[in-house]
Amino acid sequence: SQQGEEDPQALSIQEGENATMNCSYKTSINNLQWYRQNSGRGLVHLILIRSNEREKHSGRLRVTLDTSKKSSSLLITASRAADTASYFCATAFSGSARQLTFGSGTQLTVLP
Amino acid sequence: EAGVVQSPRYKIIEKKQPVAFWCNPISGHNTLYWYRQNLGQGPELLIRYENEEAVDDSQLPKDRFSAERLKGVDSTLKIQPAELGDSAVYLCASSSRPSGDRGEQFFGPGTRLTVL
Repeated sequence: SQQGEEDPQALSIQEGENATMNCSYKTSINNLQWYRQNSGRGLVHLILIRSNEREKHSGRLRVTLDTSKKSSSLLITASRAADTASYFCATAFSGSARQLTFGSGTQLTVLP
Repeated sequence: EAGVVQSPRYKIIEKKQPVAFWCNPISGHNTLYWYRQNLGQGPELLIRYENEEAVDDSQLPKDRFSAERLKGVDSTLKIQPAELGDSAVYLCASSSRPSGDRGEQFFGPGTRLTVL
């Protein structure tokens, strides 16, 4: 079964707009990670946020984590057509930081 | 640095036939994972290796699936016999020993299996 659930399942925006994806999970975590998957390709790690962190930035990416609500969000600013992909959150349970449980993903389409 | 290598990229077989997938992780990565990804879903872990030891294979359907990582480097995942429901993308990933806020996994391109 999948631990994280992303919302929305699909998102379509215009180039230049911001995209926000949300992830909810059920149990205590060590860290939460976001991955991107282009069509027909493997997953690429984007960013990792630890359970004691609330916000993290990497380039145009901003991730927040609210452990009280067991939720995280990924914000992509100034989106580009190349950002079109599926985005997955993955949680590492407390006590087993090497094992990840993936959500079902958000399909982002950025229109030129 | 070379990434995770998987072969074949695509495989089409008839049901009840055997199939094998191969993975070569990033050099020096002790941990190797096999995932299955169904269409429109996230990857689901099948088995995790720490060096040559399978430390988590609870999600591996052991009646038909087997895996090995004999020398703690490359790995093979086998299905025998394949069923229609096995059609999916099989992903291999590797990671180094985590420390601090490490723990990211590096994925190969996957093998897309179609069972007819």
